[in-house]
Amino acid sequence: QSVLTQPPSASGTPGQRVTISCSGSSSNIGSNYVYWYQQLPGTAPKLLIYRNNQRPSGVPDRFSGSKSGTSASLAISGLRSEDEADYYCAAWDDSLSGPFGGGTKLTVL
Amino acid sequence: QVQLQESGPGLVKPSETLSLTCTVSGGSISSYYWSWIRQPAGKGLEWIGRIYTSGSTNYNPSLKSRVTMSVDTSKNQFSLKLSSVTAADTAVYYCARGIAVAVNQYYFDYWGQGTLVTVSS
Repeated sequence: QSVLTQPPSASGTPGQRVTISCSGSSSNIGSNYVYWYQQLPGTAPKLLIYRNNQRPSGVPDRFSGSKSGTSASLAISGLRSEDEADYYCAAWDDSLSGPFGGGTKLTVL
Repeated sequence: QVQLQESGPGLVKPSETLSLTCTVSGGSISSYYWSWIRQPAGKGLEWIGRIYTSGSTNYNPSLKSRVTMSVDTSKNQFSLKLSSVTAADTAVYYCARGIAVAVNQYYFDYWGQGTLVTVSS
């Protein structure tokens, strides 16, 4: 069971802005960086956001991350059909039990 | 371009040991954290553990008693052994490279394509 809580699903229409939340505690999000991974169907996860709000080279600026206290969010603006994927937040916990949230399945309607 | 490739048996019998190797190409294995992560069908990601190129390890407490990781820097490979497997260990297993931001704090920038391991008699 993940220590980070994400909604199991989210949805939006093309062009819309959607946000995915990630809730944790003082021992993980509250004291460590947050990361986001995108997993397209049938593929390995891909790093989307690191150090709370940094985008790796090649990740469109439609994707943005933020953190406040013990929660974090991933925002996707100008939603596209190819954004339909599973999204995982991650933050290391003091227990070192693994960083991943339970994942959110994003559907583009 | 760094590439990771998992290899090993796709079928393991219950109670036996699952063994996988990850071969790193296009870059050095040195000075990174190397992790194994698994994903049962239709479920989320579970971090299994990591090894640093010095050989130091950290394992998920929930799997610690059954996990052993090793690294062979001469071959640019690292490996996973998971003992006493059951059907619950059936999953796609990924290897991934970790970039350190602090002690035991890292993110995964490169992933292997994943390999399905089924535990069945």
